[in-house]
Amino acid sequence: NAGVMQNPRHLVRRRGQEARLRCSPMKGHSHVYWYRQLPEEGLKFMVYLQKENIIDESGMPKERFSAEFPKEGPSILRIQQVVRGDSAAYFCASSPRQKPQETQYFGPGTRLLVL
Amino acid sequence: DAKTTQPNSMESNEEEPVHLPCNHSTISGTDYIHWYRQLPSQGPEYVIHGLTSNVNNRMASLAIAEDRKSSTLILHRATLRDAAVYYCILRDELRNFGNEKLTFGTGTRLTIIP
Repeated sequence: NAGVMQNPRHLVRRRGQEARLRCSPMKGHSHVYWYRQLPEEGLKFMVYLQKENIIDESGMPKERFSAEFPKEGPSILRIQQVVRGDSAAYFCASSPRQKPQETQYFGPGTRLLVL
Repeated sequence: DAKTTQPNSMESNEEEPVHLPCNHSTISGTDYIHWYRQLPSQGPEYVIHGLTSNVNNRMASLAIAEDRKSSTLILHRATLRDAAVYYCILRDELRNFGNEKLTFGTGTRLTIIP
């Protein structure tokens, strides 16, 4: 059973370009979470999605960031017009159910570098 | 949300037990205590969780104080592969909305000395 997959693992963008980060949850998992980890800091929650629905986006910056989890295909975190402050590691996690005590399984992350 | 407090860093010798403390003095009766760890350049991974009783699994043991205001993650025989940042996280069993996310603090950076 493959774990959570994220691609690309590393992404370099110039200021003003768009970044698209993809996450394929574990098989059978319909709940996806995105977290961001700035250099030398802990992980911060960004958004929680179920298939075709955004459930909680309280951690998403108000502008330039969007996320989706379509009926078919991976979840996408999209960052428009990237700035240097967006440089970070972005982690996706998935879980099979919504219960608070449910384990979240993390992917290896996408490391975004904005030049 | 109830907060947790952990030491910034700890060191331990290889093949010795490690006790990682976590204080959560404002914990509520329905908060589960979860531990995750993040190895270098990897995503976090689940270690263990518990509510009131001590818990054991293949990775570690979790000792929970009787008043639940603190807990200790125990690695019985540390190896170099256990070097990681360990996060203690509270999750409320009763809150379904808004509690799906994990709230990571700064954690404890564990260094294993060969």
